[in-house]
Amino acid sequence: AQTVTQSQPEMSVQEAETVTLSCTYDTSENNYYLFWYKQPPSRQMILVIRQEAYKQQNATENRFSVNFQKAAKSFSLKISDSQLGDTAMYFCAFMKRQGAQKLVFGQGTRLTINP
Amino acid sequence: EPEVTQTPSHQVTQMGQEVILRCVPISNHLYFYWYRQILGQKVEFLVSFYNNEISEKSEIFDDQFSVERPDGSNFTLKIRSTKLEDSAMYFCASSVWGASDNEQFFGPGTRLTVL
Repeated sequence: AQTVTQSQPEMSVQEAETVTLSCTYDTSENNYYLFWYKQPPSRQMILVIRQEAYKQQNATENRFSVNFQKAAKSFSLKISDSQLGDTAMYFCAFMKRQGAQKLVFGQGTRLTINP
Repeated sequence: EPEVTQTPSHQVTQMGQEVILRCVPISNHLYFYWYRQILGQKVEFLVSFYNNEISEKSEIFDDQFSVERPDGSNFTLKIRSTKLEDSAMYFCASSVWGASDNEQFFGPGTRLTVL
C-alpha cells in the first residue's frame, strides 16, 4: 500500500517570499504520478502541479515548481513570489500509473500568506 | 469554466438514517469518484465509477454505501444507515477518462454530521 506524509501541518510566510512545502511518500511501485492540490478556504480542490515519476525533469507551472527526488521518495512544492491568493490548504497526492485511478493523499499543509 | 457541484453543502442526520449525497460531474467526464475526509484526518478514496459500474472501491466502502448515476447528470452516494463515524466531508470528483495522468476535478464537498 502507498502512504503519503506531509510533516508540516501549518506554515506562514510574508507576501512575495518563497515557501517550500514538504511531502514524502512510500511505495513499491516504479511508475506513478505525484500531485499537489490546493484547496482555498471554502472552495474546491484544484490541481496545482503534476509530476510523472519516470520523468527526471522537475515539473514547473509559473510560480510553482517541484523538487522530485525519486530515490528519497520526496516531492516538495516550492511557491515563488507568494501571493495572498496562495493562502490555502495544500495536499500532496500519489497515484499508481497502472490500475486503480485513486488518489492517495497526505494530511495537508495549511499555508497562510501574510500581507 | 465547468465545475463539479455538490449538494447539499451541509447535511445533518440522525444515526441510523439514510442519506443521499448528490454530485453533478463535469458534463463530458466519464469517470466519477467519491472521497471523504474525517475531521483532522487525510482525504481517503471511497469508490470510482465508470460506465454505470463500480471500477474500484476501498475497504471503507462496505455494504452500507452505494453509488448510482440515476440520470445523465447526477452521481449520488447513498449511506443506508448512518453511523457516528460517517461524519466527514465527502468530496465528489470527475475526470474525462481514468488514465492516471488525467486530472480529477473536485467538487466543494458535503459536510455530513451524524448525531
